[in-house]
Amino acid sequence: NAGVTQTPKFQVLKTGQSMTLQCAQDMNHEYMSWYRQDPGMGLRLIHYSVGAGITDQGEVPNGYNVSRSTTEDFPLRLLSAAPSQTSVYFCASSYLGQRYEQYFGPGTRLTVT
Amino acid sequence: RKEVEQDPGPFNVPEGATVAFNCTYSNSASQSFFWYRQDCRKEPKLLMSVYSSGNEDGRFTAQLNRASQYISLLIRDSKLSDSATYLCVVKGNNNDMRFGAGTRLTVKP
Repeated sequence: NAGVTQTPKFQVLKTGQSMTLQCAQDMNHEYMSWYRQDPGMGLRLIHYSVGAGITDQGEVPNGYNVSRSTTEDFPLRLLSAAPSQTSVYFCASSYLGQRYEQYFGPGTRLTVT
Repeated sequence: RKEVEQDPGPFNVPEGATVAFNCTYSNSASQSFFWYRQDCRKEPKLLMSVYSSGNEDGRFTAQLNRASQYISLLIRDSKLSDSATYLCVVKGNNNDMRFGAGTRLTVKP
């Protein structure tokens, strides 16, 4: 059981470049989300989805787009990378419902120069 | 004010010690509560859920005080392998999870 997978593991971008971070889960979870983790700030929610075709903004959505065409995949797009987007990005998934915890992917370390 | 606040530590304790972490949350409508553990440069992993009546899992005990909007985690008989960052997590009505910045624990021989 692969769980939550993310690619790439590491990425270096120049300011203004665009790219897509990939996330997939094989647990048939309805809920998927993207977080960024910066030193001293904990994980902050970027975007989330409660099912295919449904997405919504989290705490820090600016500069990022998402789509959810299938239950399994939830890619995160950086439209025009900025140095402030240098961070570690985690994708997570869970069943819907209050008592269910989220499972995290291994993360993508992104540096924007 | 942050939605979820934790003492950042670091906590440096000897093996065998008992250590307690505290967490407060601001949204009184929060529904579910969790403690996650995160090792250096790794993803967070669930340590335990926190139930209203309090719950225990081996050496770990979690408590919730809804009136004070306060969560705690107690680790007894600390092991070297307990060294990690402990994240307090609060789940809202929209299934979104809000994380504290984490408390770093180092257990020394």
